[in-house]
Amino acid sequence: SYVLTQPPSVSVAPGLTAWITCGGNNIGSKSVHWYQQKTGQAPVLVVYHDGDRPSGIPERFSGSNSENTATLTISRVEAGDEADYYCQVWDSLNDHYVFGTGTKVTVL
Amino acid sequence: EVQVVESGGGLVKPGGSLRLSCAASGFSFSAYNMNWVRQAPGQGLEWVSSISGTSSYIFYADSMKGRFTVSRDNAKNSLYLQMNSLRAEDTAVYYCARVNGAVPSSDAFDVWGLGTMVTVSS
Repeated sequence: SYVLTQPPSVSVAPGLTAWITCGGNNIGSKSVHWYQQKTGQAPVLVVYHDGDRPSGIPERFSGSNSENTATLTISRVEAGDEADYYCQVWDSLNDHYVFGTGTKVTVL
Repeated sequence: EVQVVESGGGLVKPGGSLRLSCAASGFSFSAYNMNWVRQAPGQGLEWVSSISGTSSYIFYADSMKGRFTVSRDNAKNSLYLQMNSLRAEDTAVYYCARVNGAVPSSDAFDVWGLGTMVTVSS
């Protein structure tokens, strides 16, 4: 089955940039979505189709996807961005949705 | 307002059964693929099952196949998950989530409920 690998944690100071990676075999050929989940809350879609943002999501959130790595970039990080972030794709070979292992973003 | 609300969680003994429900409102329910996603305590998100708008396509994660059954009633704007032969490792918050499309595809989960907790313990 298809596997998505994320770093367990990323730490960043306020005002700086956080990069969260999502590794998968030839992930560049798939459409990647990113979700933010704050403690005790349901996930929220923050980036879809590699780099598009739903309405209401700040422009500080952006995404890219190439070859074997997709990346979620959070610019000008704020304390409110502290959360777990998950990447996700559709595995058409197995008709499964797949989530990444998740990354905890800590704002220092 | 577009929303989905889960219900039916609770405490069940190993080997027991439980039926979860998800009530949708604010959108044309039959036009969307619906899913169950779960999250064990302190763990990541795990996709459980998917059902297309007309129930033509139904998929399950490998560990749930044969034990869980997903269904929907478009007349009642409702999604269901029948869970049988429950195990301790099925303990999780179960989320109902909409995919922005009628069939399972590369579209995103754009609407999520708050979840319902299922605890499997003797």
